[in-house]
Amino acid sequence: DQQVKQNSPSLSVQEGRISILNCDYTNSMFDYFLWYKKYPAEGPTFLISISSIKDKNEDGRFTVFLNKSAKHLSLHIVPSQPGDSAVYFCAASARGSTGNQFYFGTGTSLTVIP
Amino acid sequence: NAGVTQTPKFQVLKTGQSMTLQCAQDMNHEYMSWYRQDPGMGLRLIHYSVGAGITDQGEVPNGYNVSRSTTEDFPLRLLSAAPSQTSVYFCASSYLPTGGGGGELFFGEGSRLTVL
Repeated sequence: DQQVKQNSPSLSVQEGRISILNCDYTNSMFDYFLWYKKYPAEGPTFLISISSIKDKNEDGRFTVFLNKSAKHLSLHIVPSQPGDSAVYFCAASARGSTGNQFYFGTGTSLTVIP
Repeated sequence: NAGVTQTPKFQVLKTGQSMTLQCAQDMNHEYMSWYRQDPGMGLRLIHYSVGAGITDQGEVPNGYNVSRSTTEDFPLRLLSAAPSQTSVYFCASSYLPTGGGGGELFFGEGSRLTVL
């Protein structure tokens, strides 16, 4: 069963506007969350992360929000740029016996329209 | 700085053939792992290793073998390829600990495998 879910396979946004990508998880033991960006024919690259002790982490145009009670996180990109067009994967991990396993969502394909 | 290097980038196999996907990293990372990416399934962990001589299974280990004889290398072996193993394979590495606020994964460029 998918422990990390990205329910929107695709998203289109106008250049300059905000992009909001969503991710839900089911395992309450997850305490570390990451977003990866992937261009075609390339490997995923790390974008931003957040620990469960925080509810927000910001890095330039990228902000990740974590709502532990709802088991939900989101990635905000402001302002969106055409170069942001890619597939975005959400991932989660937990301490303990499975602390070395990351669980990934199915990805959201973002298209930023110039 | 090469990072994570995977070879080959493309491979076509016939059912029942064997092959090895190579992965090497030059960042002295303790942790290495293999994922497969399939449409609608995201990235799923096959096997991982937390150091030389130590390997463990991920979510989808069946049909795959791994070994870790050095810190740098983590090959993935398909002993008898099946069409269900047609996929894009990614190798990734990280410092430890990986979860709970530890290191993020660094990925290779991927290996596209087709099994006929």
